Formats: sequence, C-alpha cells, structure tokens
Amino acid sequence: GIQVEQSPPDLILQEGANSTLRCNFSDSVNNLQWFHQNPWGQLINLFYIPSGTKQNGRLSATTVATERYSLLYISSSQTTDSGVYFCAVEQGNFNKFYFGSGTKLNVKP
Amino acid sequence: DSGVTQTPKHLITATGQRVTLRCSPRSGDLSVYWYQQSLDQGLQFLIQYYNGEERAKGNILERFSAQQFPDLHSELNLSSLELGDSALYFCASSVRGNDLANEKLFFGSGTQLSVL
Repeated sequence: GIQVEQSPPDLILQEGANSTLRCNFSDSVNNLQWFHQNPWGQLINLFYIPSGTKQNGRLSATTVATERYSLLYISSSQTTDSGVYFCAVEQGNFNKFYFGSGTKLNVKP
Repeated sequence: DSGVTQTPKHLITATGQRVTLRCSPRSGDLSVYWYQQSLDQGLQFLIQYYNGEERAKGNILERFSAQQFPDLHSELNLSSLELGDSALYFCASSVRGNDLANEKLFFGSGTQLSVL
C-alpha cells in the first residue's frame, strides 16, 4: 500500500509560536485529510484537502499533489492545540485510508 | 460531537474471550470504517462497509469479523482475544457517494479494549 510519512515526530512549542507539519506520501492520492487527536483520544477532522490550500482560523493546509506532500500550518499556537496530528490518504476509490504515524505536538504555556 | 456513536467506551475482558463493539454512523452516512490504534502500530485500517456490503479489507485478523446492518449500524466482533489485541478501536463514517468531493471521515470517540 501507499506509504505516508509525517515529520517531525515530536514538536514542543511555546504558546504563541507558529509551526509547520509535513506529510509525504509515496503515490498519487485522490483524498487527503488532516486530523487532530486531542489528549482525550478524540479524532477530529481538520481538513479535507486533496490539493490546493484551505484555511480555518489559525490553521491552514496546503497539498501539492504533483510533488506528493501536504503541509499543515498552525499559527499563534495555544495549549489546546496539543495532541497528535495525523494525515490520512486514499488512493483511487479503494476505500482504504492510510494514516501516517503522526506528529505529537506539545504547546507549553 | 462528530455524530458517530461508539459503545461501549471501555471494555475489560480476559484472554480467550469474545467481545462485540458497536458503531452508529452519522445520519445519512452509508460507509463505516473500523480502525485499530495501538501504541506501537499507529492507526491501522481494519475493514470498511458501504450500505451493508463489505467494500475493503485491511489488516484485519481472521479472529475478527464485522458486519453492517440494514439500519447502517455496524458491529466489530473480536474473538479468542489475546493480550496484544488491547487497543483503542475506532469507527468512522462518511457519506461515500459517487461524488468524492468532501468525502470526510468522521470518527467516533472509540472503544478502549483491555485484555487481561
């Protein structure tokens, strides 16, 4: 199956700092999504972004499908941004979403 | 609240036992996905159903089985449980129509299974 790599694996930020998380994938995809898993384990869908750029408040995401990567930007980070960020991709219409291993973010007050 | 309901939230059982995890998708969603999240394996895709039919299979063990019922809720059955089956089991749903645009996955809060 398709390989999904996320970097960095761990990130520690001071509140108010900005960060960029990266997701590389090994083959073309038709569906890419970013998720945030909060400290209570809940997985929350942040973006559906197979290509292009989207913004939602302090978060934005860009996917360059031709170069097989996606970026998640977090600006003015808050302690509530802590948790693990996953990207998930799907090829064709195979109905299988493959998850990266995640970036664990810790925002300190 | 994602609209996806999973029960129970926690389950503690012994090796060799069988358990059933239940998932109700969001209203209108036809597809249900099951994932296993363990510390060393990350989020692993198990199986997907669309409108009652199995559509895709991932790394699901033969001891595990699932089904989706006419009312679209799904059950994941885990049998002959082993210590290594301890994990967080998630269900997700999506509309999964012909138009792939905005085919977002919405996750339930998970079932934490502990096999002792």
